[in-house]
Amino acid sequence: EVQLVQSGAEVKKPGESLKISCKGSGYTFTNFWIGWVRQMPGKGLEWMGIIYPGDSDTRYSPSFQGQVTISADKSINTAYLQWSSLEASDTAMYYCARQMYYYDSRGYYWYFDVWGRGTLVAVSS
Amino acid sequence: DIQMTQSPSSLSASLGDRVTITCRASQTIGDFLIWYQQKPGKAPNLLIYAASSLQSGVPSRFSGSGSGTDFTLTISSLQPEDIATYYCQQTFNTPRTFGQGTKVEIK
Repeated sequence: EVQLVQSGAEVKKPGESLKISCKGSGYTFTNFWIGWVRQMPGKGLEWMGIIYPGDSDTRYSPSFQGQVTISADKSINTAYLQWSSLEASDTAMYYCARQMYYYDSRGYYWYFDVWGRGTLVAVSS
Repeated sequence: DIQMTQSPSSLSASLGDRVTITCRASQTIGDFLIWYQQKPGKAPNLLIYAASSLQSGVPSRFSGSGSGTDFTLTISSLQPEDIATYYCQQTFNTPRTFGQGTKVEIK
């Protein structure tokens, strides 16, 4: 069974650093992009960025570029999302998801087919 | 960035009703359009990819259509388990932006 298991909830203070994780199993981790999605309380989904664990190629949304770092350790099938200095506005649920694709003559159709359960990050003084 | 606009933001319908949700892209995206369902307290779940292809295991009452800039998600007969928020997402380019969501409730 394909699974993404995310690390547990975090309660942090403004200015602290944080690294949350997403461990894949049941498939070849290095062959599929992993994405991160933010959901602030009561709000919609926001695409943060994706990483290809095979070579660590990473793409960020301009909204999150410079604000977070996405990385992966293919030796342990794990992707990460990290902050160097948290702010209260980082309070949110963060999901990782596997990016699957369907290919035909028109190109690659990308979609998130498997999601983690989410990691709740709460930042408060 | 491509902006995705869903309408309505919320709707209330009776069980068995046909429900239609619209998603409009700010520029043409071909059929690079995904639909997800998110139930309260849960991660999103893939319903449809490539605008109209039903993900394996998703009930056939869900269907998607459209291309270019205008897309539709239809639930042919609303069931109690369909109470959720529905999101479209464009995968034409990065950032792969989502719509703001449509909350579906029972009347």
